[in-house]
Amino acid sequence: SAVISQKPSRDICQRGTSLTIQCQVDSQVTMMFWYRQQPGQSLTLIATANQGSEATYESGFVIDKFPISRPNLTFSTLTVSNMSPEDSSIYLCSAGSGTEYGSYTFGSGTRLTVV
Amino acid sequence: GIQVEQSPPDLILQEGANSTLRCNFSDSVNNLQWFHQNPWGQLINLFYIPSGTKQNGRLSATTVATERYSLLYISSSQTTDSGVYFCAVERWNTDKLIFGTGTRLQVFP
Repeated sequence: SAVISQKPSRDICQRGTSLTIQCQVDSQVTMMFWYRQQPGQSLTLIATANQGSEATYESGFVIDKFPISRPNLTFSTLTVSNMSPEDSSIYLCSAGSGTEYGSYTFGSGTRLTVV
Repeated sequence: GIQVEQSPPDLILQEGANSTLRCNFSDSVNNLQWFHQNPWGQLINLFYIPSGTKQNGRLSATTVATERYSLLYISSSQTTDSGVYFCAVERWNTDKLIFGTGTRLQVFP
């Protein structure tokens, strides 16, 4: 399975600002994903990052708030825009293929606090 | 969409005890994985188990796909087993992993 490096690991940001999170995979992967985990909650899929085309967003998430880039098969970024305290969460990227040899793995997460 | 429910939501054990965590899902799946989220937030992939039984040390898992549930067994629990356990499923032809509600495990010495 792929090994994923994610940064920053944590940040404290002022409301109204934006933060870009980076995710680097050690091998080429077709599928990359971004998840949000609100305090004490499970993981919720934000979007699928598609290489060479616009990301596919899940219900309740929009591109203006969470723009995503996927310039190649090993790298993706998620930006949390115009942040409010409600955006305080752990954000995780994931990659994989849903098969035994490519089962989904996760980056170490970005713990975001908005003040 | 598919519903993924886990039970119990919380579990408190003394070191050395055994436990069984359950994951029920509402539709057919082609992928099921169990993860452990440690207290630092990192998600560790425990098992890829869309069907059948697997064992890895003190942990084992069984998925009965026809009855839409999976079980994770932890034997001789240790304090390092503490954290949140998630099952996650992927429906056929969706290429998306959907997470369950989680079980928070605390193991005390």
